Amino acid sequence: QQQVKQSPQSLIVQKGGISIINCAYENTAFDYFPWYQQFPGKGPALLIAIRPDVSEKKEGRFTISFNKSAKQFSLHIMDSQPGDSATYFCAAPLRNDYKLSFGAGTTVTVRA
Amino acid sequence: EAQVTQNPRYLITVTGKKLTVTCSQNMNHEYMSWYRQDPGLGLRQIYYSMNVEVTDKGDVPEGYKVSRKEKRNFPLILESPSPNQTSLYFCASSLSADRVKETQYFGPGTRLLVL
Repeated sequence: QQQVKQSPQSLIVQKGGISIINCAYENTAFDYFPWYQQFPGKGPALLIAIRPDVSEKKEGRFTISFNKSAKQFSLHIMDSQPGDSATYFCAAPLRNDYKLSFGAGTTVTVRA
Repeated sequence: EAQVTQNPRYLITVTGKKLTVTCSQNMNHEYMSWYRQDPGLGLRQIYYSMNVEVTDKGDVPEGYKVSRKEKRNFPLILESPSPNQTSLYFCASSLSADRVKETQYFGPGTRLLVL
């Protein structure tokens, strides 16, 4: 049973468009929300992360927004580029735990 | 170069034939972990190790074994593989258990097919 529910499963966006991936969680003991990016044939790599004491974090074209009351967090990819085509995973660890619960993943395809 | 390596990268085997997937990291990390990735299910943790000789079950440990005799190595053992273990496997490491949530470094993956 996945503790983090991710949607959509896949999305296609035109170059320059905005990609939005959503994750919902139920366990309020989660205290950190990283996003991992995985290119075909590679292992996942940390992209960006947020703590629940802030509502938004931006790094370049990537922004995480966090809604604690709704128990949701989202990844926005602004001005999407073909090089952003990858699978994105949201994740969350329980407080005082030593493992991450991952979402099912979203495959993003950016068309030139 | 800091990295996590896995071998083999691709493996086809038959039901019941024991196999080992090796994992090694050169970053002196204490924490290591194995995941399997399946379509629609994301990454699920199989086993993890907080340090040498300290291992524990993840979310899907059935049918797998691990050992951690050296800090750098964390092999995954399938004593009697079955077709439902066909998957993409990733090894990952982190500086320590406390740092797992901040970042994990993943290997390139091992694609396993059990016939």
